[in-house]
Amino acid sequence: GDSVTQMEGPVTLSEEAFLTINCTYTATGYPSLFWYVQYPGEGLQLLLKATKADDKGSNKGFEATYRKETTSFHLEKGSVQVSDSAVYFCALSDQGTDKLIFGTGTRLQVFP
Amino acid sequence: NAGVTQTPKFQVLKTGQSMTLQCAQDMNHEYMSWYRQDPGMGLRLIHYSVGAGITDQGEVPNGYNVSRSTTEDFPLRLLSAAPSQTSVYFCASRKTGAGYTFGSGTRLTVV
Repeated sequence: GDSVTQMEGPVTLSEEAFLTINCTYTATGYPSLFWYVQYPGEGLQLLLKATKADDKGSNKGFEATYRKETTSFHLEKGSVQVSDSAVYFCALSDQGTDKLIFGTGTRLQVFP
Repeated sequence: NAGVTQTPKFQVLKTGQSMTLQCAQDMNHEYMSWYRQDPGMGLRLIHYSVGAGITDQGEVPNGYNVSRSTTEDFPLRLLSAAPSQTSVYFCASRKTGAGYTFGSGTRLTVV
């Protein structure tokens, strides 16, 4: 079945460092891909999405490109802030059933 | 615009008790889902609905029931609570072609 694999955390960075969180997927067909963010004590918020190959999703300085050839959707940000500290989830939307399948999440900790 | 509202925020149950987690959305979204979040396992789909009157099972449906009598409401029922159901539960909704909007969660402890 469809699945999402994320790099294990925590990822610990200093403020203004470059961020990459790796995400790869396995799916039949052509899923949509998402990054969600969860701040402490809160629900998940959609960060960005891409619906087809080579699409780039972007929001709040974060970017991710849908790479069909490598089945990847890596999250990047050029300069992280302390306020970016959260858990980040990669997910795909199953094309046939529209179910959202999540990775296990990656905790990001940014220190001043 | 309230978005997705979940109640209660916290609940403690004894083994064997039943209860209903409430979820309501005011965005006229067709799709609604229930997830549970456990440490190291991400979010796992319990049940989902593609519209009023239509529900289907997700990855971990055992021990839970749902119904979708209206577009707005999608309650999750625990029939006989077990310690393995201790988790944080999230309800989510979306319109066709859009990303999901999540509620703030219900933290459930079964003792």
